[in-house]
This record gives sequence, C-alpha cells and structure tokens, in this order.
Amino acid sequence: QTVVTQEPSFSVSPGGTVTLTCGLSSGSVSTTYYPSWYQQIPGRAPRTLIYNTNTRSSGVPDRFSASILGNKAALTITGAQADDESDYFCLLYMGSGISVFGGGTKLTVL
Amino acid sequence: QVQLKESGPGLVKPSETLSLTCTVSGGSISRTDYHWGWIRRPPGKGLEWIGSIIYSGSTYYNPSLRGRVTVSVDTSNSQFSLTLTSVTAADTAVYYCARTNSEWYWGQGTLVTVSS
Repeated sequence: QTVVTQEPSFSVSPGGTVTLTCGLSSGSVSTTYYPSWYQQIPGRAPRTLIYNTNTRSSGVPDRFSASILGNKAALTITGAQADDESDYFCLLYMGSGISVFGGGTKLTVL
Repeated sequence: QVQLKESGPGLVKPSETLSLTCTVSGGSISRTDYHWGWIRRPPGKGLEWIGSIIYSGSTYYNPSLRGRVTVSVDTSNSQFSLTLTSVTAADTAVYYCARTNSEWYWGQGTLVTVSS
C-alpha cells in the first residue's frame, strides 16, 4: 500500500519561511492527486488551508501557499507567526474514491 | 455556510460496534457533487481517512478498515452515519465528519473511547 510521507517535525524562526513537503513512498505527486493541506491545533478540528494543489480556502492568509515542487506537493509559510505552530497534514486523492493522509508535520515556531 | 455536527456514544466496549451520526445544516445533503466522509485522529497519531459516501449511495472505504466500516446516508434527516464493528482500543480517537467536493468542511469532532 502506498504511503504518503511528510517530515515528522520542522522548526522555523518567527518571520521566517518554511516549506513542508508531501511525497509518496512510490512515485511522484502531481496535480492529479489533488493535494490538499490542513492545519490542526491540538484539541481543535482541522482547518482546511489549501485544496486542489494550490487554492487557498476562504479566510486563509496569503502567506500560506502551495505547489508541486519536484516530485512532491509543498506547503510554504512565509513570514511565520507564533500561532502557525501546529500540526500540518497533507491529503492525496488516490483515485476510486480513496484518499490518504500523510503522517503529519509538527511545526515549531521559535 | 454548511455546518456539520457529530453525535453518538463517547464510550464503547471492546468487540462492540461504534455508531456515529453527522447532522448537516446550511446545505443540501442531496447534492450529487458532494462526498460526505469520516476522518479520525487517534491520540498521539495523525489523521486517518475512514471512508465516504455520495448521494447516490456509492461508498468508498479505507482498505485497512474494509470489512468493519459502513457509511450510510439518511437524506430525509440530512444525516450520514458511520458504523465500525469489532472495535478495539486502537479505534479510540476523535472522529470528524466532513463534506467535500474538493474543499473539505469539517465538523467539530467527537471523542470516542473504546474501553471496558
């Protein structure tokens, strides 16, 4: 079974830029996987940040952007803020109605 | 703006059946372009897609849960449901219902603990 891979943890300084990635254990991520990105603060429901590779959800600041970078989907946070400290998950559509989440990245802002 | 709210028992005994309902408001559950799904997050772990259903009744399930999971829709009450059989402690999680036609809208989640 294909595994969706993410960095387990990442650290960024306040005001800095960080890029989180979402890959496949076998093969390359492309737009046909309709990658999406979610932010989840512990104890709260996930918040949709990005869908269809690079479309921001309503209300999401433009310092969150996403793209395909090489063979992975990527989420870039520009000008990181303290309240960006959270867990970030990507989701890939595998076809035939099946979706798979990545393992998540714990982002620390310090 | 669509709103989704999960409901159901917060405690289930091992080997029994977990049943949750998601009530949808602010939008039609009968739209053919929406998927209505369930996602969970066990403590200390990541999000896991469980399965989804569309208005026609077609269902799609996580292969790792196939055989234990059923998702169904009740259009008359604007609800869809999750049933998970033969639960173990590994099924303890916060369960979320959600809607998508590319962008996911989430319920607030409900904690289900499997314990005797």
